Amino acid sequence: ETGVTQTPRHLVMGMTNKKSLKCEQHLGHNAMYWYKQSAKKPLELMFVYNFKEQTENNSVPSRFSPECPNSSHLFLHLHTLQPEDSALYLCASSQDPGQGGYGYTFGSGTRLTVV
Amino acid sequence: AQSVAQPEDQVNVAEGNPLTVKCTYSVSGNPYLFWYVQYPNRGLQFLLKYITGDNLVKGSYGFEAEFNKSQTSFHLKKPSALVSDSALYFCAVRDLDYGQNFVFGPGTRLSVLP
Repeated sequence: ETGVTQTPRHLVMGMTNKKSLKCEQHLGHNAMYWYKQSAKKPLELMFVYNFKEQTENNSVPSRFSPECPNSSHLFLHLHTLQPEDSALYLCASSQDPGQGGYGYTFGSGTRLTVV
Repeated sequence: AQSVAQPEDQVNVAEGNPLTVKCTYSVSGNPYLFWYVQYPNRGLQFLLKYITGDNLVKGSYGFEAEFNKSQTSFHLKKPSALVSDSALYFCAVRDLDYGQNFVFGPGTRLSVLP
């Protein structure tokens, strides 16, 4: 394990459901990220939290709602999703992003299928 | 602005042969460069990084990469490929002077044939 844990590993949800993805890191990192990985597309940065404060929201639709209650936990709340939202959702963490020498540690991802 | 290009979607190589996965980047300032590998249904795993110093960096599983400032490249190499090296490889760059987050390339799928 990398020290970044994502649950659930797989999720199938209907378009009218509400669900949440969870990410937990035990590395003492200050920053956490949500990425979306779709087939045949580059990684898409969705949200960035630094010291629990959201510092970046890359024009993500409001049906995705992040929550970062503390530096170790990150959630992605999902509601009224579309089939095109089906993807692998990756969580990552890093040391202070102001210090560029640190890379990201990724979780194994949640494979989301919207039906 | 930061950007990363991986010009090959797919690289095929025979087991035991050397492999190269290409990466070129564009930054305004000084680059931090990383390589990650992704196995099926897994997250990205760190392979190696260039921050400063020696242009040839060595990483996990026998991989290495050479930083070439004049060509703005950071190609990933391995002298002898293994079937188990088959995976998706991502190059990432961060502009030390202007960037806050990493930018990832589109990925290159490496297939090592037995």
